[in-house]
Amino acid sequence: ETGVTQSPTHLIKTRGQQVTLRCSSQSGHNTVSWYQQALGQGPQFIFQYYREEENGRGNFPPRFSGLQFPNYSSELNVNALELDDSALYLCASSWNGDPGNEQFFGPGTRLTVL
Amino acid sequence: AQKVTQAQTEISVVEKEDVTLDCVYETRDTTYYLFWYKQPPSGELVFLIRRNSFDEQNEISGRYSWNFQKSTSSFNFTITASQVVDSAVYFCALSAANTGNQFYFGTGTSLTVIP
Repeated sequence: ETGVTQSPTHLIKTRGQQVTLRCSSQSGHNTVSWYQQALGQGPQFIFQYYREEENGRGNFPPRFSGLQFPNYSSELNVNALELDDSALYLCASSWNGDPGNEQFFGPGTRLTVL
Repeated sequence: AQKVTQAQTEISVVEKEDVTLDCVYETRDTTYYLFWYKQPPSGELVFLIRRNSFDEQNEISGRYSWNFQKSTSSFNFTITASQVVDSAVYFCALSAANTGNQFYFGTGTSLTVIP
């Protein structure tokens, strides 16, 4: 059974640029959630995709957008990067978007915005 | 609104000591789920346990135990005979039936076990 993978591991961008982060869900999972974790903080929910449709969104501006593909992998896109976007971005997969199901996390992508 | 509070920011213990990590939650939902995750320095969150709001039985898994008390809205985590490998940041999280699969995390407790 393959776990959740994310790419790239690290990324450095400058303010105003755009970035795409990628996530492959665990085998058998059809739901992907994205979280932003600032240094010293807990993960904050960005949004969730279930069967290729957005299934909930946290308090993040529209410049944070996503996509889920038929194989349930997912992308997180961030436009017009700001310094405060520097964080660890975590992807988590689960089954069926049910609130009672545990989410399995990937190793994260460390984004630095200069 | 959902909220999770982990008041202990950092804890240091000497190896073999017992340690309890506190978690207090707020929700108006009657159906909700509580989780504990471990985040080692590598960054990946590792699932430890899940509890639903209808199951208040305590659970023990090896050196780990969890005490769920709805009366005090707490879901505390105890590590018995701590080991250096237990050093990590521990997060408590809440999800509720009315807010989908969104997890609300606390700010985490950083545990350092000193050899």
